[in-house]
Amino acid sequence: GAGVSQSPSNKVTEKGKDVELRCDPISGHTALYWYRQSLGQGLEFLIYFQGNSAPDKSGLPSDRFSAERTGGSVSTLTIQRTQQEDSAVYLCASSLGGALKDTEAFFGQGTRLTVV
Amino acid sequence: KQEVTQIPAALSVPEGENLVLNCSFTDSAIYNLQWFRQDPGKGLTSLLLIQSSQREQTSGRLNASLDKSSGRSTLYIAASQPGDSATYLCAARGFQKLVFGTGTRLLVSP
Repeated sequence: GAGVSQSPSNKVTEKGKDVELRCDPISGHTALYWYRQSLGQGLEFLIYFQGNSAPDKSGLPSDRFSAERTGGSVSTLTIQRTQQEDSAVYLCASSLGGALKDTEAFFGQGTRLTVV
Repeated sequence: KQEVTQIPAALSVPEGENLVLNCSFTDSAIYNLQWFRQDPGKGLTSLLLIQSSQREQTSGRLNASLDKSSGRSTLYIAASQPGDSATYLCAARGFQKLVFGTGTRLLVSP
């Protein structure tokens, strides 16, 4: 596609339920990133994929958070047993990646998650 | 561990002024530095990318400079307009991720 696409754009869920957030990167981009932005806060790194591998999962806040990427393209971020503190905007970005670590990163519009 | 700081946190100016936004980073081993704009409730829009080997990049009224040795980057906005009002974020690209500053919230008044 023309840009990074995230779905849904908004998600309201009840505390304790599981949610899945989807990211479609720009075609041909091998690097994919997930970030979280809480209200009034900066961007918090969650996880980085190079192809289908996640060499850096250091930012995942707890074992309730997991992410996968299939076919070197679409990625899904799953949050199990959601808590109110999980409420935030979840942003996905992609870049050419691989040996091209110095290339521009492009962000999607984000998924606004509200846990009630 | 890379830390990125942006000063000022907020800036309010009348239309037409030239502005300088500052970004500093603690680890000079970066691949590039990228400036983004974020409008309320929206995602991030890439403005400028400066490679680690470059000193500056320009796009229209925007000019970004990079001094790796001192760990600093500046974003210069010429002849500011109300449409420039947004939060501006800088991000330093390390080996596997971008590390973001907390942003400068800019308001340009007509």
